[in-house]
Amino acid sequence: EAGVVQSPRYKIIEKKQPVAFWCNPISGHNTLYWYRQNLGQGPELLIRYENEEAVDDSQLPKDRFSAERLKGVDSTLKIQPAELGDSAVYLCASSITTGQHQETQYFGPGTRLLVL
Amino acid sequence: AQSVTQLDSQVPVFEEAPVELRCNYSSSVSVYLFWYVQYPNQGLQLLLKYLSGSTLVKGINGFEAEFNKSQTSFHLRKPSVHISDTAEYFCAVTGPHDMRFGAGTRLTVKP
Repeated sequence: EAGVVQSPRYKIIEKKQPVAFWCNPISGHNTLYWYRQNLGQGPELLIRYENEEAVDDSQLPKDRFSAERLKGVDSTLKIQPAELGDSAVYLCASSITTGQHQETQYFGPGTRLLVL
Repeated sequence: AQSVTQLDSQVPVFEEAPVELRCNYSSSVSVYLFWYVQYPNQGLQLLLKYLSGSTLVKGINGFEAEFNKSQTSFHLRKPSVHISDTAEYFCAVTGPHDMRFGAGTRLTVKP
């Protein structure tokens, strides 16, 4: 079974440029998460989708970050414009959520972003 | 909301020695607890999880963890580590809807 797929694996851009990350979750997983992991820290949730609905985006910096999951499967996270402080690893994860019960989250390899 | 504290940012240990990575959590509701491992330039891989039942949980690669509700702890242990266990280890707790991670513990196994 294929795991969570993310692309690109690495991205280097100059500040003020736009950037986009793509994630394809495990087949059948209705919940998708985007995390940001700064160097030396644990992942922090940016946004959580249940199917195509963003049910928790309270930590997403909405002035420059946007995300979509139009068909409830793969998802795109965008930053426009990027700032130096956005340099981090962006992780995508997926899980099965039924009612109030959350199953294990499975993580992709991440996209390592460097903003110069 | 729940939170996680990993008490040690770095743990150096010699090969074949035992190791314990400490994790404490706080939550006002029932939680599920997880340990993930992250190797360099890779995503997080699930080591083990506690959902309910036996408080001693066994995971992959010879790791185990014990859920202690009275001490709100979920410490990770391995009786004999290998060089290949060198990695970052994250404790995580979930409530009904979200998962919170600790800051991580860097385990370095020396020959």
